[in-house]
Amino acid sequence: AQSVTQLGSHVSVSEGALVLLRCNYSSSVPPYLFWYVQYPNQGLQLLLKYTSAATLVKGINGFEAEFKKSETSFHLTKPSAHMSDAAEYFCAVNSGNTPLVFGKGTRLSVIA
Amino acid sequence: EAGVVQSPRYKIIEKKQPVAFWCNPISGHNTLYWYLQNLGQGPELLIRYENEEAVDDSQLPKDRFSAERLKGVDSTLKIQPAELGDSAVYLCASSLGLAGGRETQYFGPGTRLLVL
Repeated sequence: AQSVTQLGSHVSVSEGALVLLRCNYSSSVPPYLFWYVQYPNQGLQLLLKYTSAATLVKGINGFEAEFKKSETSFHLTKPSAHMSDAAEYFCAVNSGNTPLVFGKGTRLSVIA
Repeated sequence: EAGVVQSPRYKIIEKKQPVAFWCNPISGHNTLYWYLQNLGQGPELLIRYENEEAVDDSQLPKDRFSAERLKGVDSTLKIQPAELGDSAVYLCASSLGLAGGRETQYFGPGTRLLVL
């Protein structure tokens, strides 16, 4: 069975500081990994995804994530936080035809 | 291009009443998903359609929940009767249906249900 663990339900950073949101996965087969962002009262929007090509994946809004098989991790980073980055972030995993399994989410707050 | 459309956006009902949610996926998307998102949690799959066929409904509580996608386009999710614990956000998503697990799912804004 697949699972996702997001460390930290709430992360707070200063504007301009590094953003690091952690995601560890469990999968018995090579996974596909996704990061989604959810703004208040909106649906989820794809930030980036890993589908077994390059291990460093660049997404929208300056975010990127690195797939590390040895650490079973897919952490999300952004060099400089902006106020508009404040939202809920979800990591998700699936493989083949299995359902997409989401983590519990990390709420990012950006302090001016 | 229009995204995934859901209605209503908000619904308040009393327990034991029926409720229905509607979803219109992105044009050309063969796969449609209904998710349940409880407060402070990630979405959980309720049912997945490939065209008009429900190919994964293992997590759908069939005693009170039902869904249909009769013409392989829009879909309706129904709860009858609703219980207090059904208060949550119901998300619809769609994808092309051509690339399996690597596909991007596009989400609608969700329907926020409150059962009193």
